[in-house]
Amino acid sequence: AQSVAQPEDQVNVAEGNPLTVKCTYSVSGNPYLFWYVQYPNRGLQFLLKYITGDNLVKGSYGFEAEFNKSQTSFHLKKPSALVSDSALYFCAVKDGGFKTIFGAGTRLFVKA
Amino acid sequence: EADIYQTPRYLVIGTGKKITLECSQTMGHDKMYWYQQDPGMELHLIHYSYGVNSTEKGDLSSESTVSRIRTEHFPLTLESARPSHTSQYLCAGEDTQYFGPGTRLTVL
Repeated sequence: AQSVAQPEDQVNVAEGNPLTVKCTYSVSGNPYLFWYVQYPNRGLQFLLKYITGDNLVKGSYGFEAEFNKSQTSFHLKKPSALVSDSALYFCAVKDGGFKTIFGAGTRLFVKA
Repeated sequence: EADIYQTPRYLVIGTGKKITLECSQTMGHDKMYWYQQDPGMELHLIHYSYGVNSTEKGDLSSESTVSRIRTEHFPLTLESARPSHTSQYLCAGEDTQYFGPGTRLTVL
């Protein structure tokens, strides 16, 4: 069965510093991997996805994620954090089937 | 977000009422999904659809039902709302790349 883990409930980073939000997954077969951001009282906004190809995926708002098959990880990164990046971030995985499984979410706080 | 529309955005109702949460899309997505999310928590799949007249239950047991008579619409119905149904309901389309803004439901 597929699963996804976000080991950190919360990540704190100072504005201007690089940020990383961690995600590991378990899936049989080739994974489809996603990152989303959610602001208060809003739906999820798609940031980026990995299906195949280059392990470094670039997405919206300057975010990128690196697919690491040997470590079964798909960490979200940004070189320079903004206060406006503060939100709830979800990693998700699909095994090529129909269902997408979401992680528990990581709350990112960027301090000015 | 503009691809998937959900109404109402907020709903407060009494126990025992029948409610329908609307989800519509303009992009012709065959696959559509309903997720339930408690505030700040993970999403749980409650229903999905492959296309017209095709619906399936998701991983989380839910007392709600869905229909898919037209590609554009994927409404979710609760025949008799209870306080335990209080949550946010998110509709998504095509590989969950597109999410609606959600309906925040409160049952008193």
